[in-house]
Amino acid sequence: QKEVEQNSGPLSVPEGAIASLNCTYSDRGSQSFFWYRQYSGKSPELIMFIYSNGDKEDGRFTAQLNKASQYVSLLIRDSQPSDSATYLCAVNMVKGSNYKLTFGKGTLLTVNP
Amino acid sequence: EAGVAQSPRYKIIEKRQSVAFWCNPISGHATLYWYQQILGQGPKLLIQFQNNGVVDDSQLPKDRFSAERLKGVDSTLKIQPAKLEDSAVYLCASSLQVGSGVGAKNIQYFGAGTRLSVL
Repeated sequence: QKEVEQNSGPLSVPEGAIASLNCTYSDRGSQSFFWYRQYSGKSPELIMFIYSNGDKEDGRFTAQLNKASQYVSLLIRDSQPSDSATYLCAVNMVKGSNYKLTFGKGTLLTVNP
Repeated sequence: EAGVAQSPRYKIIEKRQSVAFWCNPISGHATLYWYQQILGQGPKLLIQFQNNGVVDDSQLPKDRFSAERLKGVDSTLKIQPAKLEDSAVYLCASSLQVGSGVGAKNIQYFGAGTRLSVL
């Protein structure tokens, strides 16, 4: 089982719709979870992080965490063409006395005008 | 606040040649990371420094890759000799940990990356 799994997509949604991106992780002891956005040819850019079960909202973005199910998701409301990018889920896993950020392969999102 | 600086942005070399990448982290960030990102995949951690000490280099191919962080600030990553499969984007990131234990917050910020093509 991969440590962090994402559907590679592509996920295609019309402008104005809700885009839903999902991620599962294998390490039950993981404590912090991140969503990065990566435009083609650019470096990852942090858009949200979440530490506690439940929802965390920031503008059009909502991160949802369910530690019991080892599942984290990102919802993008009122999707815009500028949201078209690859979304990377990253999980901070405890490795001994250190934390290691492990990334999924990313989900390619395309928002169609 | 200045971000993570990396150079060069692009590098093209032939296999068996050597190459070096440079990274300057965000001021005050004690932890520095080098990642390798192959096209279509997520970043893979190569090495993590805490100040000038290595915390994790378990995925660094030590027969050809080396990295150092002298004085706990700038870092260099070297590949010698390069192979075709080393073609990737090499990302440097830095972070500042706030707190400790399970409540610690540790957010990584990435540089623009170096795109390496090995021919």
